[in-house]
Amino acid sequence: EPEVTQTPSHQVTQMGQEVILRCVPISNHLYFYWYRQILGQKVEFLVSFYNNEISEKSEIFDDQFSVERPDGSNFTLKIRSTKLEDSAMYFCASREIRFGTSGGTQYFGPGTRLLVL
Amino acid sequence: AQKITQTQPGMFVQEKEAVTLDCTYDTSDPSYGLFWYKQPSSGEMIFLIYQGSYDQQNATEGRYSLNFQKARKSANLVISASQLGDSAMYFCAMRGLTGGGNKLTFGTGTQLKVEL
Repeated sequence: EPEVTQTPSHQVTQMGQEVILRCVPISNHLYFYWYRQILGQKVEFLVSFYNNEISEKSEIFDDQFSVERPDGSNFTLKIRSTKLEDSAMYFCASREIRFGTSGGTQYFGPGTRLLVL
Repeated sequence: AQKITQTQPGMFVQEKEAVTLDCTYDTSDPSYGLFWYKQPSSGEMIFLIYQGSYDQQNATEGRYSLNFQKARKSANLVISASQLGDSAMYFCAMRGLTGGGNKLTFGTGTQLKVEL
């Protein structure tokens, strides 16, 4: 069964450093998402991406964040200068272009646990 | 704006019993989708079940069913014949039409513990 994959599974970085989180969405999916979950809290939307551009972003997704689809398979989230409060689990998700019977179900990757020291 | 409310921070159920996890929602979108995800202690988010706002029948998926009451704006998850492996955090989420990207808005989750 196709699945979303994410690398690395864990990342530890120093405050102020740049990190790149990588995702490989399901191959026939065209909508991609990043969400984050601070420990013990609910999952929060960061950004959605379609047709090589951002379709929606949240207030969290400020100038320190960027997304890119550098090739036909990878989808990346870059945090330019990490802060302590960026420590969280980051989930990538993808879905088919049409809602259909699945209602546009988003399938999530296993997450990258980011710790900023 | 969309809002999901899960009022049960924690629930206990005995193995083989059924359990209902509550979810209420608020939206001004005429069409929307409701989803439940399971998050075990390992951290991944596993899709369980989907209900469309125009679906006439409640969704079912194996031991999972969704008790959808549109007038009351509720979308409760029912797990039948609970198993130890059902112990996890459960999130209700909604997808609307506004915003362009059809993002998911999540509730705060319910921690379910299945006991022998």
